[in-house]
Amino acid sequence: QSALTQPRSVSGSPGQSVTISCTGTSSDVGGYNYVSWYQQHPTKAPKVMIYDVSERPSGVPDRFSGSKSGNTASLTISGLQAEDEADYYCCSYTGSSVVFGGGTKLTVL
Amino acid sequence: EVQLVESGGGLVQPGGSLRLSCAASGFTLSRYRMHWVRQAPGKGLVWVSCIESDGSRTNYAESVKGRLTISRDTAKNTLYLQMSSLRAEDTAVYFCARDYLGLGVWGQGTTVTVSS
Repeated sequence: QSALTQPRSVSGSPGQSVTISCTGTSSDVGGYNYVSWYQQHPTKAPKVMIYDVSERPSGVPDRFSGSKSGNTASLTISGLQAEDEADYYCCSYTGSSVVFGGGTKLTVL
Repeated sequence: EVQLVESGGGLVQPGGSLRLSCAASGFTLSRYRMHWVRQAPGKGLVWVSCIESDGSRTNYAESVKGRLTISRDTAKNTLYLQMSSLRAEDTAVYFCARDYLGLGVWGQGTTVTVSS
């Protein structure tokens, strides 16, 4: 199972919006509505920000939103804040396992 | 409080073995699919293995098949990862995670270093 494809880095200024894409295949992203997104700060464990493509866990700000079209999922962060600077990983169910994207480093300028 | 705590990591020589543990508290581990995910130094997250909630099925990444074994002890509410024939490329932080509302709960990770 090949890793999902994410941009290596994105950046934005405080208050702006950024979108991180995650491209897979019909065997993962395109085949299931089980895409999730994780935020990871340095030396910390990952934290789920979005699950089931667009659902937000309790406690996650509504500035974070998810969507999917075909084999590509997207995470949008609006109203960027300094604390959003982190690595972000997408993840998809594959039928018998899960597969992660390579990760995207978000820099808040 | 729902919590996962990993332990058992350490320094091991190539070809050696190690058993990682993931102790669950605040919930019953056997009611959920559970995963092991690893992260090599400076690299991204990589899925390693999972076990179904009823324990009926396990799955592994191709890179660890035949060398790593996932299991659980329902009485101890603990998940395990038995690691053997370890290679340098197995060096990583190993996280366990509960599969509910995404991988909704993660442990803090335990570090495995394979080196002579």
